[in-house]
Amino acid sequence: DVKVTQSSRYLVKRTGEKVFLECVQDMDHENMFWYRQDPGLGLRLIYFSYDVKMKEKGDIPEGYSVSREKKERFSLILESASTNQTSMYLCASSPGQGTYEQYFGPGTRLTVT
Amino acid sequence: AQKITQTQPGMFVQEKEAVTLDCTYDTSDQSYGLFWYKQPSSGEMIFLIYQGSYDEQNATEGRYSLNFQKARKSANLVISASQLGDSAMYFCAMREGLTAGANNLFFGTGTRLTVIP
Repeated sequence: DVKVTQSSRYLVKRTGEKVFLECVQDMDHENMFWYRQDPGLGLRLIYFSYDVKMKEKGDIPEGYSVSREKKERFSLILESASTNQTSMYLCASSPGQGTYEQYFGPGTRLTVT
Repeated sequence: AQKITQTQPGMFVQEKEAVTLDCTYDTSDQSYGLFWYKQPSSGEMIFLIYQGSYDEQNATEGRYSLNFQKARKSANLVISASQLGDSAMYFCAMREGLTAGANNLFFGTGTRLTVIP
């Protein structure tokens, strides 16, 4: 079974803090994604990566950055957390061919106070 | 314009009955894929079913089937014989194109399904 893990299920941070959200997948997938999920808005893509050290902006990259130094790991960084970044963050991975079905981690519910 | 539209914020269904969750999509690509995911209260997104734009047959996976109407650009999910464990949020999503790397998914806003005993 594909396994996508995220470093924390729940996280509380203060405004202005630097926040790291880690995601690891064990299926040797080429592609990895970070989404945020807010009620009534569905899932919105923040960043994705289709190879090590490669990254592409999604629909809402402002206030975020990412890092992919190893194929299995994709990190989302909030340089200076703000209250409007309180959300559920979902990581996903997918193979580089086929149906491109995405496999999701359990999510991290981040609260910025 | 929204690429995926789910017009039903919430739906109720009686246990053992069938239910249809609506999804319409907007794309000018000839090659695309349509997905349905389930998100229970635990939060994890679970893949349910996939339909490719060139697939002539409607996709089926157990109690799930995808009613694909290409001309109408609709991809409704049909759940037969609903069970209490089907209560969850359901998301429709689309991937455009077939180029490696161009496989972002566009998600709808979801439909919350409640199965009534």
